[in-house]
Amino acid sequence: DAGITQSPRHKVTETGTPVTLRCHQTENHRYMYWYRQDPGHGLRLIHYSYGVKDTDKGEVSDGYSVSRSKTEDFLLTLESATSSQTSVYFCAISPGQDNYGYTFGSGTRLTVV
Amino acid sequence: LAKTTQPISMDSYEGQEVNITCSHNNIATNDYITWYQQFPSQGPRFIIQGYKTKVTNEVASLFIPADRKSSTLSLPRVSLSDTAVYYCLVASGGSYIPTFGRGTSLIVHP
Repeated sequence: DAGITQSPRHKVTETGTPVTLRCHQTENHRYMYWYRQDPGHGLRLIHYSYGVKDTDKGEVSDGYSVSRSKTEDFLLTLESATSSQTSVYFCAISPGQDNYGYTFGSGTRLTVV
Repeated sequence: LAKTTQPISMDSYEGQEVNITCSHNNIATNDYITWYQQFPSQGPRFIIQGYKTKVTNEVASLFIPADRKSSTLSLPRVSLSDTAVYYCLVASGGSYIPTFGRGTSLIVHP
């Protein structure tokens, strides 16, 4: 979607290696989110941010960390990738202010071998 | 956080109107109802948001009864390209943490 980009789009990595996924927005939205989507589980929230340097855990945060040093970028890091983290990762943004129309990125397909 | 219940799947045919109902019995006074559409290999896309009565945009209509314990997304004259998963979300007013359920898989047949 316009205004939000994820990189990389695809990545294959080995078990035990660190991986960082990037979400970049040009909308100046306050809220940013990381989800993972797996068959049979739907979309599950990993971490979210409500401002620069303000982040909190979602329902499946174990094994993941995030950072937001500026409004436009929200990074998701897998410190030591495991096969269970093979998934499609989506970033989303929201302006808040009674607007619940979240905008999602195109996703990153991560495979841990 | 209001829990939502939707049918797992629905089938329809091109040109028909499709109504997908979502139950949210414990919706709070300041909660909003939103619907999203997701195609395979893409992120969800916002369709419509409502609080009460009826909301209509160029894509769909959202009907919310007075008690707000359910809502119905109406897609007029569907086409094959409307085949997707549709999610109903209840957003707590002032809390911007969207929680997705399993959604409804809509398949439109020729």
